[in-house]
Amino acid sequence: RKEVEQDPGPFNVPEGATVAFNCTYSNSASQSFFWYRQDCRKEPKLLMSVYSSGNEDGRFTAQLNRASQYISLLIRDSKLSDSATYLCVVNPSPGNTGKLIFGQGTTLQVKP
Amino acid sequence: GAVVSQHPSRVICKSGTSVKIECRSLDFQATTMFWYRQFPKQSLMLMATSNEGSKATYEQGVEKDKFLINHASLTLSTLTVTSAHPEDSSFYICSARAGTSGPSYNEQFFGPGTRLTVL
Repeated sequence: RKEVEQDPGPFNVPEGATVAFNCTYSNSASQSFFWYRQDCRKEPKLLMSVYSSGNEDGRFTAQLNRASQYISLLIRDSKLSDSATYLCVVNPSPGNTGKLIFGQGTTLQVKP
Repeated sequence: GAVVSQHPSRVICKSGTSVKIECRSLDFQATTMFWYRQFPKQSLMLMATSNEGSKATYEQGVEKDKFLINHASLTLSTLTVTSAHPEDSSFYICSARAGTSGPSYNEQFFGPGTRLTVL
């Protein structure tokens, strides 16, 4: 079983749609959780951290369910510029080594 | 935000040669840098963790004698792919952690990546 699993997609949605991505992680001791965005042939960029209480940044909402080891990202009012691969990322280390485990990524294509 | 650079951005080499990739933190000191590899349509895979002034910690399955890592200063880490072969062709990305404690401790800043093609 992969440490971090995501549905690779692709998700093809029209502009203005709401889309949700899910992610599960296997290590119950995992400490920190993130969503990164990666554009084609570029480096990943931090989109947002994910907290147990849930957090929102504009059109983006992230949720964490520690009991189910499940992370989600909701994008409202999709824009063409949201087209990218979204990476679910987990820091599995209680010792805070900084090690990050990346999911395979979910590809989003927003169409006009 | 913090800036991390990588050089070169792209390299094409012949099989059997060695390639050095530099990763620099431009406006902060990075006690820890990480090296990742990404094959097409796959996720980033951590290769090793590089701590300034000490030996790198390699992930399982990564050959330390093939992928030499040197973290000589708080702003520079290098990855040398020795005796490169076509199967080493990949996108190599470094990241740097800015903080030693506090809110920035878990945040990593990524370099733009180096695309290696071994012929």
